[in-house]
Amino acid sequence: GAVVSQHPSWVICKSGTSVKIECRSLDFQATTMFWYRQFPKQSLMLMATSNEGSKATYEQGVEKDKFLINHASLTLSTLTVTSAHPEDSSFYICSARDGRIPDTQYFGPGTRLTVL
Amino acid sequence: DAKTTQPPSMDCAEGRAANLPCNHSTISGNEYVYWYRQIHSQGPQYIIHGLKNNETNEMASLIITEDRKSSTLILPHATLRDTAVYYCIVRVRGRAGTASKLTFGTGTRLQVTL
Repeated sequence: GAVVSQHPSWVICKSGTSVKIECRSLDFQATTMFWYRQFPKQSLMLMATSNEGSKATYEQGVEKDKFLINHASLTLSTLTVTSAHPEDSSFYICSARDGRIPDTQYFGPGTRLTVL
Repeated sequence: DAKTTQPPSMDCAEGRAANLPCNHSTISGNEYVYWYRQIHSQGPQYIIHGLKNNETNEMASLIITEDRKSSTLILPHATLRDTAVYYCIVRVRGRAGTASKLTFGTGTRLQVTL
């Protein structure tokens, strides 16, 4: 199946700093990418949907100025957590949709963010 | 998208079949049943999906009742590596070129034991 990578796999940062997480589709072009967040012992919650070349669509309650999403190419989307605080510590997962295949999402391995 | 109900946890002995149920009594005619699983600290993995016919692939079988109000995911010979949270998701299948969201519930935590 198609492969989606995320970088970094884990990151620890100080409160107030910004962290960028990359999501790449390795062997297909992803017209749409999704960003999820998962807190311990909870399910995945969709944060935003990003389409290549256009602004991301954020889910209700997700601050677009805090979680900056850039989908500049068909193989790369980035999520930047700005001015991170301890409550932003979570497991961030991206998924990518292959535009040639109806309704198929491939998930990345996730990035664990810890804010001290 | 229709809501689903799954048991919070299940145990299964290694080598035996794991049967994971899912209720989706409000499913509509154009909604598909999807199954994903998430092994601890990893991204979700697609398993299988179906509309009304039973489906089988190299990972699992999906049995959908005739009234489509419930389904069962079957792992025929569970192994320790199948220990994961299994999510049943019901949604309209998107067309090529469209983006369809996946809404994850709480899933079933399957523990495969020796």
